[in-house]
Amino acid sequence: ETGVTQSPTHLIKTRGQQVTLRCSSQSGHNTVSWYQQALGQGPQFIFQYYREEENGRGNFPPRFSGLQFPNYSSELNVNALELDDSALYLCASTGPEYNSPLHFGNGTRLTVT
Amino acid sequence: DAKTTQPNSMESNEEEPVHLPCNHSTISGTDYIHWYRQLPSQGPEYVIHGLTSNVNNRMASLAIAEDRKSSTLILHRATLRDAAVYYCIRIRESNFGNEKLTFGTGTRLTIIP
Repeated sequence: ETGVTQSPTHLIKTRGQQVTLRCSSQSGHNTVSWYQQALGQGPQFIFQYYREEENGRGNFPPRFSGLQFPNYSSELNVNALELDDSALYLCASTGPEYNSPLHFGNGTRLTVT
Repeated sequence: DAKTTQPNSMESNEEEPVHLPCNHSTISGTDYIHWYRQLPSQGPEYVIHGLTSNVNNRMASLAIAEDRKSSTLILHRATLRDAAVYYCIRIRESNFGNEKLTFGTGTRLTIIP
């Protein structure tokens, strides 16, 4: 297992800009979910992708969007960045077995100034 | 709605057992209980999960109440490396549905040398 990797590890953006965060899942993991974690809080579910289609979404506006690719990589895109978008963004992949655990990456720390 | 409730913090002495409680009074019959822990500057790490029966693995044990409305994560002999924030979450039988995975604020476990 190569684990889940995320890039970049840190990023600084200006309010109003757009950002793309990337995640590489473990081979064979066809479900990926993305989370936003503010300081001192638990991860908040943004959305989930299964076989390249979104199949679950949390309480986040449409300017948060994603893509999942056949090679087990995925992206989180955020448009029109706001100061409150500053957080740790985590992706997690899940294997095809029945009720598999989530495997998280170490996240991307996004700072919006 | 976090759907699970945990104490904000707990302390334990090194080399002693630790019992971390979680309440999930609105759990449905197909919800699994998963536990994850998060070390500083890392993504959450899978610890253990179960449905109805008690479960053991190399990291911990999970004791699930008979009515399934609560569970307890047991670390049999705490070490300093077990200091982390511990999250319990409910995950539906199928990961492929429109499921919003909800983390609460977790329990911050401090280990006293």
